[in-house]
Order: sequence, then structure tokens, then C-alpha cells
Amino acid sequence: QQQVKQSPQSLIVQKGGISIINCAYENTAFDYFPWYQQFPGKGPALLIAIRPDVSEKKEGRFTISFNKSAKQFSLHIMDSQPGDSATYFCAASIGSSNTGKLIFGQGTTLQVKP
Amino acid sequence: KAGVTQTPRYLIKTRGQQVTLSCSPISGHRSVSWYQQTPGQGLQFLFEYFSETQRNKGNFPGRFSGRQFSNSRSEMNVSTLELGDSALYLCASSLAGQGQAGNTIYFGEGSWLTVV
Repeated sequence: QQQVKQSPQSLIVQKGGISIINCAYENTAFDYFPWYQQFPGKGPALLIAIRPDVSEKKEGRFTISFNKSAKQFSLHIMDSQPGDSATYFCAASIGSSNTGKLIFGQGTTLQVKP
Repeated sequence: KAGVTQTPRYLIKTRGQQVTLSCSPISGHRSVSWYQQTPGQGLQFLFEYFSETQRNKGNFPGRFSGRQFSNSRSEMNVSTLELGDSALYLCASSLAGQGQAGNTIYFGEGSWLTVV
């Protein structure tokens, strides 16, 4: 019940296309859903995050869509660029203001072809 | 503002040895968490410290331990190393528990541990 399931495992998109990564969870106590981006040799960096009282959040080319009833959320990268090639992790936590514990999905390796 | 700093960045240890990894959080952050990253298991939560007390613990054996000092710096220790402990160990810090609404968890670049 603590799992977060992420798909696909890998994704290849042409430059300018839309990249979509999906995550699903079981624990309805989760109240914070961040996405992290990780480049080789670097630690994960927060990309965008959403709380369950919001169905969508957009920051630049990155959008999170959240479906509370389906217990699913997804990351959309619009106008994908080669510089977006990285590994993306969805995550979830309970009581985000009071914990440093995140449950991560398995990750998606994105390759954007020029 | 300096980010989360981890040392050493790379190390090689022999099976059966022990290792200590160090983490300096972002200034002002009192929550420090540790994660293990491997290709097979992904990113897994090890434990979290807040004000020198362990606040959360993941599902790892007792060989994995940590501590936090009064200046919020943290160390993690792995004893009796096994080949399967080879991984990237990530430290993260945040303002969790310090009365801030919302919370961003910041990660360091990690310590690469190879057990041979």
C-alpha cells in the first residue's frame, strides 16, 4: 500500500513532442506528489509538485495532472527538448510539512531525439 | 546558499568492512533524510533525522544506522558491508517540521559506494 507505480520505464520522444509519464498509488493518505528530475551523476532535483486538492498544476512546459478518484497522476512535458533527457521520478508522501520521507516510483528514462 | 553537501563522493570498500558517509544540509534545515538508489530497487528511503532524533525509518536491516549532530549535520553508517550494498547513497534536507506550510526536499549529489 506504500507503493507508487510508475510507467513507462523508458520513453523516446522527438524534439518538440509531448512526453507523458504516469504514476499510480494506493494509499489515500498521501497528500503530496512531487516529480523529480535526475541527470547522470547528479542528485534528484524537484521539478514540480501537486497536492490532492488541485487537479492540475502547470509550470512552464511541465504540467502535473492529478486524478484523485483514480489515484493516478501524470507528468506532461510539452515541446520536449534534448536537454530534458533525464530520469524522472514521481513520489508521494504523507504529511509533507512534517516529514522528509518520500516514496518513489521506479523512474522513467526519457530520451528526447533532436 | 550552499546546497546539500555529501562526502565522500566515491569510495570502494571490501565486503565485511564498514563505511561512514557524511552529509551537511542546507543552512537552516533541521530535517535530514537518507536514501539508497540502485538500478534494481530504485530510490528507497533509509531514515530521517530531525533535531538529533530519528523521526522515520525505512525497511532496511540494522546494519544501516545514522545519527544527527546539533548543527544538523548527519552521518550514516553501514556495517558488515555486503556486495548488495553497492549503491548511490543520497542525503536530502528540508524544513519539514519547522512550521512551514509545504515542503521541498533537496537532494545532494550522493556518495557512490562500491563493495568488492
